[in-house]
Amino acid sequence: EPEVTQTPSHQVTQMGQEVILRCVPISNHLYFYWYRQILGQKVEFLVSFYNNEISEKSEIFDDQFSVERPDGSNFTLKIRSTKLEDSAMYFCASSDGTQSLETQYFGPGTRLLVL
Amino acid sequence: KQEVTQIPAALSVPEGENLVLNCSFTDSAIYNLQWFRQDPGKGLTSLLLIQSSQREQTSGRLNASLDKSSGRSTLYIAASQPGDSATYLCAVRGSYNTDKLIFGTGTRLQVFP
Repeated sequence: EPEVTQTPSHQVTQMGQEVILRCVPISNHLYFYWYRQILGQKVEFLVSFYNNEISEKSEIFDDQFSVERPDGSNFTLKIRSTKLEDSAMYFCASSDGTQSLETQYFGPGTRLLVL
Repeated sequence: KQEVTQIPAALSVPEGENLVLNCSFTDSAIYNLQWFRQDPGKGLTSLLLIQSSQREQTSGRLNASLDKSSGRSTLYIAASQPGDSATYLCAVRGSYNTDKLIFGTGTRLQVFP
């Protein structure tokens, strides 16, 4: 069964460093998402992406964040200058987008620790 | 602003019991609602999606119902098994014009043999 994959599974970085989190969505999906979950808190929406542009973003998704689909298969989240509070599990998700197939399928996550 | 709440926060039951997990949302104007399970330190596995026009969806031992007018959804798990132990999350999508899912805090379920 097709699934969303994410790399790396864990990343440790120093405050102020740039990180890039990578995702490979399900191949025929058109909509891509990033969410995050700070330890012990709710899963929170960051951004959605469709047709090579951001379709929606949350207040969390400030200028420090960017997303890109550099080729036909990868979808990346870049954090330019990480802060301690960026430590969280980051989930990528994708969906087909048609009305009967709007389920968002999530990847296993990247656990980011900012020191 | 949509708020999603799940009760109880934690539940421990013996194997074989039928159980109900609850999800409440404050704004009844939703587009769909999705139930997930999350295993410790892992990603989210989609269980069921209910469109706003539907009353329930079934998959195996799982049945999810939706009552939009009262802002509630329930996830019914029949004949629970230790393998069902996980955190169960519900998430609502507010409208056709928004992609984002708004998640509840989850119910941590433990099924013991």
